[in-house]
Amino acid sequence: DVKVTQSSRYLVKRTGEKVFLECVQDMDHENMFWYRQDPGLGLRLIYFSYDVKMKEKGDIPEGYSVSREKKERFSLILESASTNQTSMYLCASSLWFGISARHPGAKNIQYFGAGTRLSVL
Amino acid sequence: KQEVTQIPAALSVPEGENLVLNCSFTDSAIYNLQWFRQDPGKGLTSLLLIQSSQREQTSGRLNASLDKSSGRSTLYIAASQPGDSATYLCAVMDGNNRLAFGKGNQVVVIP
Repeated sequence: DVKVTQSSRYLVKRTGEKVFLECVQDMDHENMFWYRQDPGLGLRLIYFSYDVKMKEKGDIPEGYSVSREKKERFSLILESASTNQTSMYLCASSLWFGISARHPGAKNIQYFGAGTRLSVL
Repeated sequence: KQEVTQIPAALSVPEGENLVLNCSFTDSAIYNLQWFRQDPGKGLTSLLLIQSSQREQTSGRLNASLDKSSGRSTLYIAASQPGDSATYLCAVMDGNNRLAFGKGNQVVVIP
C-alpha cells in the first residue's frame, strides 16, 4: 500500500514563528503536492514538485515556500506564520503524467496523507 | 481556469437507498477524473479514477461515469450504508498533473 506520512497531526504555533511541515512518501513517486483545505473554499494547491529540487507554484503560494532535497520528502515552510494560515494542510503524491502514459496499467492517482491541522495564535 | 462544481453540497438518504452524486467541470481538456472520500478531520482516500478516454469505472458498490464532452461525472453508490457517510470530492487532472477539486458532497446515510 502507498503510504504518505505527514509528520504532525496537530500543530499550534505563534504568529511570526517559522513553521516546517514535513511529508514523506514510500512509493518512489515523482510528483508531490501541498494543499490547504478551508471550510467553504475546498482544497487549494499551494505548491507542487515533479522532481527533486524542482517546484512549481500552485494557486496560493504567497507566504509559503517548499523544499524537495530527496525524492521521498517534500517540506512546506511558513517563513513567518500568520493567523490567516490557520488551516488543514494536506500532502499528496502521485506518479508523473508521462510514466502513466507509457505504462497504461499505471494510474497517477493522488495519494494523500492524514493531514496536519495547524493553528496559528 | 478549470472550475469544478458539486451539487448538492449536502444530502441525507435513508440506509439502503442508492446515492447519486454529481460533478461538473468547465474545461473538457482533462487527463483524468478522480473521486475521493474524506472522513471528518482526515485525509482523502481515492475511490475511482476514470481516464479521459473511458466512460465509466466500477469498484464494488461504486460506479462512476464520465461524459467529457458535456463536462459531467456522476458517482453512484448502490444500497447505501451508514458507513458511507462522508464527504465525496470530485477532481479533474490537467496535462500538468494538477488536480482541480470541487468543494464536495457531504453525505449522511440515516440508519
